[in-house]
Amino acid sequence: AQKITQTQPGMFVQEKEAVTLDCTYDTSDQSYGLFWYKQPSSGEMIFLIYQGSYDEQNATEGRYSLNFQKARKSANLVISASQLGDSAMYFCAMRESWSGAGSYQLTFGKGTKLSVIP
Amino acid sequence: KAGVTQTPRYLIKTRGQQVTLSCSPISGHRSVSWYQQTPGQGLQFLFEYFSETQRNKGNFPGRFSGRQFSNSRSEMNVSTLELGDSALYLCASSPRRDGTEAFFGQGTRLTVV
Repeated sequence: AQKITQTQPGMFVQEKEAVTLDCTYDTSDQSYGLFWYKQPSSGEMIFLIYQGSYDEQNATEGRYSLNFQKARKSANLVISASQLGDSAMYFCAMRESWSGAGSYQLTFGKGTKLSVIP
Repeated sequence: KAGVTQTPRYLIKTRGQQVTLSCSPISGHRSVSWYQQTPGQGLQFLFEYFSETQRNKGNFPGRFSGRQFSNSRSEMNVSTLELGDSALYLCASSPRRDGTEAFFGQGTRLTVV
């Protein structure tokens, strides 16, 4: 089974509007972390936002917020006031076995290609 | 503060050759991970190092190997290259053992012909 599912291969959004990118995950761990990355055409993976499984508040970083619904195992990324520079691939990722001795290994979804229209 | 630096950025190799890719993490970061990105398989974990020790290895053949030096710089090596090894290889570094933050380099794009 897929550990990270991103059901939207591509999305379009009008400049200055908000957009939600979907991500669902599958884990039996109680302690885990969820990440969103942006990958422009240059290839670099840019860290956007992180949510720990025990965090009660939804994470926010500037125009990015993570809508974390633990019971539904979803971690959607919301981008407010879209800009042309937001056009890129967006990846949801999960780190399981969160412990001091655990290995830091990210499992990625297939990504969503976001296109911002002027 | 300098980011994660990967060298070279682009590489073309012939089947059967071997290749070494380099990753210099952000200063002070001791955890380094490597990922392979292909259109078909997406992003797949290769290995992770912390303080010169390999903590985990992904499901890749033994032709893929890596190491980390005392200054946290890391190298990965692929021997007997195959066409299917053509990919973007990404390195990520983290300042924390639990990896709550991971910063990626721009990657090395390897083409095997």
